[in-house]
Amino acid sequence: AQTVTQSQPEMSVQEAETVTLSCTYDTSENNYYLFWYKQPPSRQMILVIRQEAYKQQNATENRFSVNFQKAAKSFSLKISDSQLGDTAMYFCAFLRAQKLVFGQGTRLTINP
Amino acid sequence: DVKVTQSSRYLVKRTGEKVFLECVQDMDHENMFWYRQDPGLGLRLIYFSYDVKMKEKGDIPEGYSVSREKKERFSLILESASTNQTSMYLCASSLGGASNQPQHFGDGTRLSIL
Repeated sequence: AQTVTQSQPEMSVQEAETVTLSCTYDTSENNYYLFWYKQPPSRQMILVIRQEAYKQQNATENRFSVNFQKAAKSFSLKISDSQLGDTAMYFCAFLRAQKLVFGQGTRLTINP
Repeated sequence: DVKVTQSSRYLVKRTGEKVFLECVQDMDHENMFWYRQDPGLGLRLIYFSYDVKMKEKGDIPEGYSVSREKKERFSLILESASTNQTSMYLCASSLGGASNQPQHFGDGTRLSIL
């Protein structure tokens, strides 16, 4: 069975700083997809970024980028130039056979 | 944009009641999901449907059932609500076929069982 682990329950940084959220996973599969979702206080889960395991290049979406280390089964999210609106719960998720397995979440607070 | 609508943001019910949580999506997605979200546990899959009248158990189906009579609607049913089912419930949908499609979520229903 696939498992996803986020070892940082909470993080807090100052506005404009860079922050990295950690995620590790366990799978015996070779082809799979990984996602980071954001859940702001408004509660709707929003897709931040996704990575396909067969692609070597790390995914980037504006200020959000990932560091995907397939051999180490690590998938961290980097947020550059953090903004107050980045305050949210962040979930790492593994997708296979159309079903998502989520990590426990990291509560990120951006302080002014 | 995909719209996934959950019928209630907040719901309070009593132990033993039959509870229905409704979810509707407007993008003709084949797949629909019900999750439960609890602090420190992330989201856990309760049930999954990949077509009308089709359903598959997730990781924590005990105490729940689902219904999918129409493609756009997926209902979660608590047959006899218990206090340990107090939680946030999230519905999601995604395209079927290829396995790499992201899921789109509703706003969640915070359910309290008294």
